[in-house]
This record gives sequence, structure tokens and C-alpha cells, in this order.
Amino acid sequence: QKEVEQNSGPLSVPEGAIASLNCTYSDRVSQSFFWYRQYSGKSPELIMSIYSNGDKEDGRFTAQLNKASQYVSLLIRDSQPSDSATYLCAVSVYSGGGADGLTFGKGTHLIIQP
Amino acid sequence: DVKVTQSSRYLVKRTGEKVFLECVQDMDHENMFWYRQDPGLGLRLIYFSYDVKMKEKGDIPEGYSVSREKKERFSLILESASTNQTSMYLCASSLLREDRNEQFFGPGTRLTVL
Repeated sequence: QKEVEQNSGPLSVPEGAIASLNCTYSDRVSQSFFWYRQYSGKSPELIMSIYSNGDKEDGRFTAQLNKASQYVSLLIRDSQPSDSATYLCAVSVYSGGGADGLTFGKGTHLIIQP
Repeated sequence: DVKVTQSSRYLVKRTGEKVFLECVQDMDHENMFWYRQDPGLGLRLIYFSYDVKMKEKGDIPEGYSVSREKKERFSLILESASTNQTSMYLCASSLLREDRNEQFFGPGTRLTVL
């Protein structure tokens, strides 16, 4: 059974600070890792994908992957009130015949305090 | 931009009715997915398809079926709706690109079964 674990929060961060979101996964053969942002009442929006160990930066967002520790994280620099949302971590295993569905964590609720 | 559309944002049905949820994507993606999202349970995969007329069961297929007659369209069918199928239903699509699986979501259908 594939599992993805996230702290549900809420995680409260002052505006302008760095928000750090963490995720662990159980399936060692997981190959693709994603962070989605979901505003209340809306659908998930893909914000970062990462496939190899190390860091990947995109604007204010940095995803970090450590496959040996089965750990993936998302850093949000210069946090803004508009970053307040639930952040979902998701992992995928490529089965060869066709892409597999994603396994999602239950999400971390992030609150940026003005 | 990838666009995934779903036929209804809100739907109210009665127990025992047959319910069709439609999803269309305009980016020529091979893969399409149906998830449901419930408070405390997160997103769970119901069914997916990696080609026309192909379907694969996800983690919670019971009570559901799917149809994919055209590449751009993937339908979720509730044969006899029950109150425990009240949920947010999310459709997603992705390219089949080696071990990449970036999934893009539609706006969701909030289904209430009375």
C-alpha cells in the first residue's frame, strides 16, 4: 500500500518569511514527485514537479528530493498572503504500460499571516 | 495551457439514480484519471485510462464504471448512486512521457446524493 504522509497543520508563517512543507512516502520505487496547491473550494493546481535527487527552483518555490530518505519538501520564499492554501504532496510510479495514478498526501494547510 | 473541463460544477441526484460525470481535455493527452476528494481522506483514485477504450481500476473502483470512447473524453458513471458517493469528483489528464506524469485537474464536480 503506497502511502504519502504530510503534517496536516495548520502551519502559520509570517508574511515575508520562508514556509517549509514536508512530505514522506513509503514506496521506494516512486519516481515522480509533485506539489499541488489547492485553494478552498477549488481544484488542485500543479506548482512543482521533481524527478531526481536535489533541489529544483522555480521563482519563489524550491522543491527538494531525497530518495534515500524517501522525503520531499517544498520551500516558499518571501511568503505572501496569497500563498495561504492547502498544499498537496503527490507521488507516482511509472508502470511501463501506461502512467499510474498519483498517490496524494492529505495536505498541509498553510496560513500566511500579514 | 492545458484545459480540462467537467460537465457540471454542482450536481444533486437521488439515491438509485444513474449519474454521468463528463470530462474533456483539449491537449491530446493520452492519460485521463478520475479521483474523488473527501475531508479527512484526501484525493483517492477511482479509475484511469491510458488509451481509448482502455481502463484501469484505481484504489476505490467499487460502485463506479468509466467509458473512454474518444481520446479527449473520459466519463465516470455511477450505476446506482448512493449517499456515500456524495463527494467532490476531480478529473485529470497527463501526457504519456516516459516516467513523467504531470497531471492537470479540471475544476471538479461537487456531487450530492440525497
